[in-house]
Amino acid sequence: DQQVKQNSPSLSVQEGRISILNCDYTNSMFDYFLWYKKYPAEGPTFLISISSIKDKNEDGRFTVFLNKSAKHLSLHIVPSQPGDSAVYFCAASVKDSGYALNFGKGTSLLVTP
Amino acid sequence: DTAVSQTPKYLVTQMGNDKSIKCEQNLGHDTMYWYKQDSKKFLKIMFSYNNKELIINETVPNRFSPKSPDKAHLNLHINSLELGDSAVYFCASSPRYGGYTFGSGTRLTVV
Repeated sequence: DQQVKQNSPSLSVQEGRISILNCDYTNSMFDYFLWYKKYPAEGPTFLISISSIKDKNEDGRFTVFLNKSAKHLSLHIVPSQPGDSAVYFCAASVKDSGYALNFGKGTSLLVTP
Repeated sequence: DTAVSQTPKYLVTQMGNDKSIKCEQNLGHDTMYWYKQDSKKFLKIMFSYNNKELIINETVPNRFSPKSPDKAHLNLHINSLELGDSAVYFCASSPRYGGYTFGSGTRLTVV
C-alpha cells in the first residue's frame, strides 16, 4: 500500500534550467512533508520540508510547493547544477505516528552541463 | 565527526546465520529508526525508538530484534538470516519533529 508516489523514475535537465520533481500522496492525514536527496552508497540527506499549514517553503535554490486539495507536492530547483544530480525522495508523515516517514520510490535527477 | 554512524557498511553472510548491525548518533536526538531499502528501492520503516522505548514496530519478522541500550544507540539483530533479508539497512535519528539524519547504510547480502 504505497501512500506516497513519485511517478517519474527519472528526469534530465540542462544546467541552469529549472528542475521540477513531483510527488503525490493518498493519505489525507499526512501533515508534514520532506524531500531527501541521495547519492549512491550514501544515506539520504534532508533537503527541505513543509508543514501542511503552508503551501510554499523556500530555501536558497530549493522551493517546495504543497497543494493539499490535490494531495500533491513538488520540489523546484533553480538554477539546476550538475552537483544536484542524485535521487530525490519525497516523504510524508503524520504527527502522531511516531514521525515515521513514508517514502516515495524516488526520482533520479540528472543535470547535464 | 559522523552524526549517525552505522557499522558495518557491508555484510555478506550465509543463510541461517545471526548478525548484528550497530548504530550510534551524536546529535542528541531522542528518536532513532531503522529503515530497509529493498531491491525496488523502497525505503520502509521497520522500527522506531524514542528515548530507548519502542514506539513503532512495523510488520517485520520477529527474527529482527532492535536493541537500544541508551538513546544514542539503536542496534539491529537479525536471527536465522534468509535470502530475502538482503537489502540496504539505514539507521536514522531525528529530533521531536524534524528532518531525519540518516546513516550511510549497511548493505546486507545473504548467500
